[in-house]
Parts: sequence; C-alpha cells; structure tokens
Amino acid sequence: QSVLTQPPSASGTPGQRVTISCSGSSSNIGTNSVNWYQQLPGAAPQLLIYSNNQRPSGVPDRFSGSKSGTSASLAISGLQSEDEADYYCAAWDDSLNGVLFGGGTKLTVL
Amino acid sequence: QVQLQESGPGLVKPSETLSLTCTVSGDSVSGGNYYWSWIRQPPGRGLEWVAYMHSSGRTNYNPSLKSRVTTSGDTSKNQFSLKMSSVTAADTAVYFCARWWVRKFDYWGQGILVTVSS
Repeated sequence: QSVLTQPPSASGTPGQRVTISCSGSSSNIGTNSVNWYQQLPGAAPQLLIYSNNQRPSGVPDRFSGSKSGTSASLAISGLQSEDEADYYCAAWDDSLNGVLFGGGTKLTVL
Repeated sequence: QVQLQESGPGLVKPSETLSLTCTVSGDSVSGGNYYWSWIRQPPGRGLEWVAYMHSSGRTNYNPSLKSRVTTSGDTSKNQFSLKMSSVTAADTAVYFCARWWVRKFDYWGQGILVTVSS
C-alpha cells in the first residue's frame, strides 16, 4: 500500500531547528490538509499540527507546519530532549476514501 | 473530555477472527459528524488506517484489508467494534481506535496489542 513519504530518521542537537518532510500526491496532500502526530515511546500518537499549520491548545509554538503543492513539512525549533519521538504526517486520500499516513520519522536529539 | 478505550483478546490464533471493541465516553458514537476509526501499528513499524464507521453508520475500509474486515457500532453501549477474519502473523499489531473530526484524528485510545500466534 502506498504511503506518504517521510525520511526514516532525523536528528539534531538541543536548541537546533530540524525539519521533517512529507511527500504525497494530488489525491491526498495536493487536495486535502495535512496533520502531524507525535508518538512518544510506548504511547498512542498525539495530534501535533492540524490543517497544515494549526496547533492544538497545549502544543508549544516551537512546532510549526507548512504545505506547498503535494508536500508538507514539520519544523521544530529550539529542539529539546523531550522532542525525541516518532513523527507521522497524515492526510485524507480521495482515492482511498480514508486516511493515509506517512511511514514515520524517528527524531533523535543528540 | 472525550476518551476512547480499546478492549479485546491480546492473543488470537492464526486463521481465527480478531474482535476488538472501542468504548467511547464524553461523546456519542451516533451523534455529530465523526468518523470512528481503527488504526493499527505492527511492532516497530508505522501507522495504517484500517476502517471507519461514520456517525450515520456508513462504513469504509482500507482496500488492502476490505475482504476481511468489518466495523460496526452499538449505540446502546456507546461502542464501536472491529472484526478481522482469517488473521495471520502479519496482523500482529497494536490496534488503536480514534475519532476523526474536521479532518484530523483528535482523540485516540491507548491502543491494544494483539498477537497472532498458535
């Protein structure tokens, strides 16, 4: 099954800014909004960014999202050790008539 | 506050049927414009959408699983369920239930690990 394409890993040192990309197609990211989820070890995913660039209440403004065409990005500035987690992008897919997830990016804080 | 809780057997034998239930509190499975969903995550791997049941009762399934999966709701218990037939080791995963609303999964259950093994 096709998924949205994310890099499998990313890393940075405390205080740095890192970005994670998510590539899709016209039937998903190109047409619908993108969400980002953070999954800490052993926990359920939590909504981090919705509607491309909106943060739920309680999510620090260090996290930001953007979308252009059929790609999206998650940026984390002022990296902290607690940001070490797996990050997933997701979007509704009109062909699937369901939600498509990215393969996930494991973020390591060095 | 909306809460979801998965329940069901943690061990299923190959070729048998996996049955899970998600109990919802703080909201109604039959109200609003929600898609009550199942998502799974094999050990060490990514997330995969499995199925959803809309508040109206309409359902849809991931094409890769469609022939083996059914989801339905029980409004009297405010629950929705997942049944997956003819399971194999490849179906071993943590299964999450979640609410899709206004283009996002905003509430998730904690997940339940289901292992397929004899």
